[in-house]
Amino acid sequence: GAGVSQSPSNKVTEKGKDVELRCDPISGHTALYWYRQSLGQGLEFLIYFQGNSAPDKSGLPSDRFSAERTGGSVSTLTIQRTQQEDSAVYLCASSPWAGLEETQYFGPGTRLLVL
Amino acid sequence: AQSVAQPEDQVNVAEGNPLTVKCTYSVSGNPYLFWYVQYPNRGLQFLLKYITGDNLVKGSYGFEAEFNKSQTSFHLKKPSALVSDSALYFCAVRVSTGFQKLVFGTGTRLLVSP
Repeated sequence: GAGVSQSPSNKVTEKGKDVELRCDPISGHTALYWYRQSLGQGLEFLIYFQGNSAPDKSGLPSDRFSAERTGGSVSTLTIQRTQQEDSAVYLCASSPWAGLEETQYFGPGTRLLVL
Repeated sequence: AQSVAQPEDQVNVAEGNPLTVKCTYSVSGNPYLFWYVQYPNRGLQFLLKYITGDNLVKGSYGFEAEFNKSQTSFHLKKPSALVSDSALYFCAVRVSTGFQKLVFGTGTRLLVSP
């Protein structure tokens, strides 16, 4: 079946602009996660959604970052007033539900470059 | 707080030889341990996980990992390496204290030479 998809695959933007990154999870998966992969910070958790529950935003690095998940499926990660340190690969993952034993399946990522 | 350490930035092995990629963890509860592989310009692919039960876990592409509670380790192994195994490998942990996120190690680059 189809895996997690993300768009765009690459995004180049100018400092100060807003960007939106999209994630389509595996059909039927209720849990959705965003991570960031950067050279200096490795892989770090950003935000997590489980069904209709309030999201866990504990990993968002600043208030310029926000995310939403509409209809319990597609998610959008928005970065406002981008900074050069936001340059990274943004990875989305989904799992059938949020149990600790559940495997998270990752998308190919969006590579963001802020000039 | 939970953490994972991958002490080797890079592991070099000749094709056909056994390989080991090391991972140690530090958690305050029961660990749930995962290995992922990342090929260039690709996302993370799941290899295997330890939840409970047998300490030796078998996964995709001939990989296996051994959970050792006393040494707090979860090393990834393969009996015979392939050139195509060359990639970046990540160990990750979740703990049974309500955290839903994966905490990743810094990654180990595996280079298999022909």
